[in-house]
Amino acid sequence: GENVEQHPSTLSVQEGDSAVIKCTYSDSASNYFPWYKQELGKRPQLIIDIRSNVGEKKDQRIAVTLNKTAKHFSLHITETQPEDSAVYFCAAKSGGSYIPTFGRGTSLIVHP
Amino acid sequence: DGGITQSPKYLFRKEGQNVTLSCEQNLNHDAMYWYRQDPGQGLRLIYYSQIVNDFQKGDIAEGYSVSREKKESFPLTVTSAQKNPTAFYLCASTRTLFLEGYGYTFGSGTRLTVV
Repeated sequence: GENVEQHPSTLSVQEGDSAVIKCTYSDSASNYFPWYKQELGKRPQLIIDIRSNVGEKKDQRIAVTLNKTAKHFSLHITETQPEDSAVYFCAAKSGGSYIPTFGRGTSLIVHP
Repeated sequence: DGGITQSPKYLFRKEGQNVTLSCEQNLNHDAMYWYRQDPGQGLRLIYYSQIVNDFQKGDIAEGYSVSREKKESFPLTVTSAQKNPTAFYLCASTRTLFLEGYGYTFGSGTRLTVV
């Protein structure tokens, strides 16, 4: 089955800096890669996703890049703000599976 | 509450007891899921259901059971066979099992503690 590794487990940045979270996956047939944000005490919410036929996708301060050859994808947050502080989960879904496999999460802390 | 409601928010269980966590959605979604969340472990799939009266085991189904008698409801029972049940449990739904691009709608979770 699919295996997703996520790094780092904790990321601490100053407000205004950029943050990058990286995930690697094992199944070359994976074709869908969502990212979820979970604020403290709240439910996870989808913030951005990318399909395997696209190399990059942006939504305001958030972007996701995908390198199919190297089997990794990354979340980029620019001009970080304290409200970006949360746990971020990546996931990968193989074309042969209905269910995505989640990474272990990255706790992002943005210091004012 | 975002269309998917979990109750209770906090639950305490004594050793050897079975407990049932409730999950109800009013989104008319066919597919529902149960995940367990532990610190540093991410989200691990317990069970999922594509349609009423059908459900499949996920990666960590041992010690858990589910039912899907109604489209809106997907309760999870944590049995006494679950060796380490203390965790945060998340229920989720999607319009269908096959859908991409819209993501899961999650409930607000139930924190279960064994005392």
